[in-house]
Amino acid sequence: GENVEQHPSTLSVQEGDSAVIKCTYSDSASNYFPWYKQELGKGPQLIIDIRSNVGEKKDQRIAVTLNKTAKHFSLHITETQPEDSAVYFCAASLRTGGGADGLTFGKGTHLIIQP
Amino acid sequence: GAGVSQSPSNKVTEKGKDVELRCDPISGHTALYWYRQSLGQGLEFLIYFQGNSAPDKSGLPSDRFSAERTGGSVSTLTIQRTQQEDSAVYLCASSTGPVLAKNIQYFGAGTRLSVL
Repeated sequence: GENVEQHPSTLSVQEGDSAVIKCTYSDSASNYFPWYKQELGKGPQLIIDIRSNVGEKKDQRIAVTLNKTAKHFSLHITETQPEDSAVYFCAASLRTGGGADGLTFGKGTHLIIQP
Repeated sequence: GAGVSQSPSNKVTEKGKDVELRCDPISGHTALYWYRQSLGQGLEFLIYFQGNSAPDKSGLPSDRFSAERTGGSVSTLTIQRTQQEDSAVYLCASSTGPVLAKNIQYFGAGTRLSVL
């Protein structure tokens, strides 16, 4: 099955700086890569996703890059703000045709934005 | 409702007791998922319901875990004879359909289960 590794487990950056979270996956058949943000006491919320036919996707201050050859993908947050502080999870899906077992999550990164 | 609702938000139980966790998905969502989130871990898939199809139970860790979804809406996750290792946050998510790349999963806030 799929295995997703996520690094770092904790990331502390100064407000205004950029933050990068990296994930690797094991199964080259994976073709969908969402990122979730989880704030304290809340459920995860999808913030951005990318499919395997795209190398980069951007949405305002958030971007995701995908390197299929190396089997890794990254989340980039620029001009970080205090409200970016949360736990971020990457995930990889083996298929887009349905079935929850197609989504494997990383263990999460606790992002701390220092004022 | 406005989002996925889970109850209770917190549950403390004694080892050996049975517990029931409830999930109200977003109205009209045909797909419903249960996950377990242990401290410092990612989300572990437990079970998946899609419409009237037989559920995908491949993630249930033992036969003490079961779930049902009545009328294609509300779902209940039942843990029998709870053990301390069952302590975790149990998350429910729903989506409009089964295709992950086309249907966003919306998560509830979870039920924090503590087994003493």
